[in-house]
Amino acid sequence: AQSVTQLGSHVSVSEGALVLLRCNYSSSVPPYLFWYVQYPNQGLQLLLKYTTGATLVKGINGFEAEFKKSETSFHLTKPSAHMSDAAEYFCAVSDQLRNAGNMLTFGGGTRLMVKP
Amino acid sequence: DGGITQSPKYLFRKEGQNVTLSCEQNLNHDAMYWYRQDPGQGLRLIYYSQIVNDFQKGDIAEGYSVSREKKESFPLTVTSAQKNPTAFYLCASSTTGAGSYEQYFGPGTRLTVT
Repeated sequence: AQSVTQLGSHVSVSEGALVLLRCNYSSSVPPYLFWYVQYPNQGLQLLLKYTTGATLVKGINGFEAEFKKSETSFHLTKPSAHMSDAAEYFCAVSDQLRNAGNMLTFGGGTRLMVKP
Repeated sequence: DGGITQSPKYLFRKEGQNVTLSCEQNLNHDAMYWYRQDPGQGLRLIYYSQIVNDFQKGDIAEGYSVSREKKESFPLTVTSAQKNPTAFYLCASSTTGAGSYEQYFGPGTRLTVT
């Protein structure tokens, strides 16, 4: 079975500092990987995704993530945090064993706090 | 605009009552999903449907029921058998088939049962 681990349920950074949110996965097949963001009392919005090809993926709001197969990681980064980045972030892996690539397994989430 | 709507945003019920949460999408997606979100526990899959008139149990289906009579609609009923129904419920949809397709989420319904 596939699984996703997000290291650190809470991460705090200062405004303007580097944001690094960690995600490790386990998968018996080549994975498709996703990062979603959730603002309070809202649904999830896709930040970026990796399917095939270039391992460095750029997303919305200045975020990017790098797929590292040897480390089974897909960490999310942003060079300079903004107050509006404060939210919860979810990493997800496509569960291709469960019938189709559209089934996702989510990590437990990381709440990002940005200090002024 | 295409998207997923969930209604209502907030829902309050007394213990022992069944309640149905609405989910509608106009994205022409074949697959739809229901997730439950509790603080600190991420998203847990309740039910999913890959095609009209067919659905499967997810990881935490006990105490819930669904129907998929129309492509656009995937209502979730929280029954009185669900022991701890208070949670934030998210509906999502996606395309299906070869490759991988992201899921699109609705705004969620917060259910409180007292």
